[in-house]
Amino acid sequence: QQQVKQSPQSLIVQKGGISIINCAYENTAFDYFPWYQQFPGKGPALLIAIRPDVSEKKEGRFTISFNKSAKQFSLHIMDSQPGDSATYFCAASPVYNNNDMRFGAGTRLTVKP
Amino acid sequence: DAGVTQSPTHLIKTRGQQVTLRCSPISGHKSVSWYQQVLGQGPQFIFQYYEKEERGRGNFPDRFSARQFPNYSSELNVNALLLGDSALYLCASTGQGALTGELFFGEGSRLTVL
Repeated sequence: QQQVKQSPQSLIVQKGGISIINCAYENTAFDYFPWYQQFPGKGPALLIAIRPDVSEKKEGRFTISFNKSAKQFSLHIMDSQPGDSATYFCAASPVYNNNDMRFGAGTRLTVKP
Repeated sequence: DAGVTQSPTHLIKTRGQQVTLRCSPISGHKSVSWYQQVLGQGPQFIFQYYEKEERGRGNFPDRFSARQFPNYSSELNVNALLLGDSALYLCASTGQGALTGELFFGEGSRLTVL
């Protein structure tokens, strides 16, 4: 049922480095692409989201890059910090239907001090 | 302000038993959704309720059922538990319409089926 493929499964980055997580989707009806951050023992929390009318969205150290023709989007974490260590999920849905949101399998990010 | 609260946080059941999980949405939120998160995977949509009515159902067997109460809290019931039902069950609420708006997740109920 998974329609969003996420890579890599795990990622280790040094403090100050750039973390990059990639996702690809299949369903052209998707037009809302959020990223969620999940710390151990917590539920996922919305980090940043993008609609396909723009190719990039930046919020602080977090940037989403979106390639509609390739049906791919990615999360870039600049100046990665140990506090960013968490599991990140990309997701996709039709913007007017949360019920059809499909999540990627997740990327476990570890930022080493 | 209290976020989405879920109970119990952890529970262990045996195959064939039944379980009820509870969720209280953020105050003022009328929509509650349930997700199953199997270890190593992303959340998968089970149900959504809005104004006490079911508004969406994912690809889960009839052993899964849910309801929403007048105070907008919700229960998820799973009957005839299977080993494969072991997962983190997440509840999310939204403050906008039935199908839109940011999902605010609780910390989940971790179910282990032995």
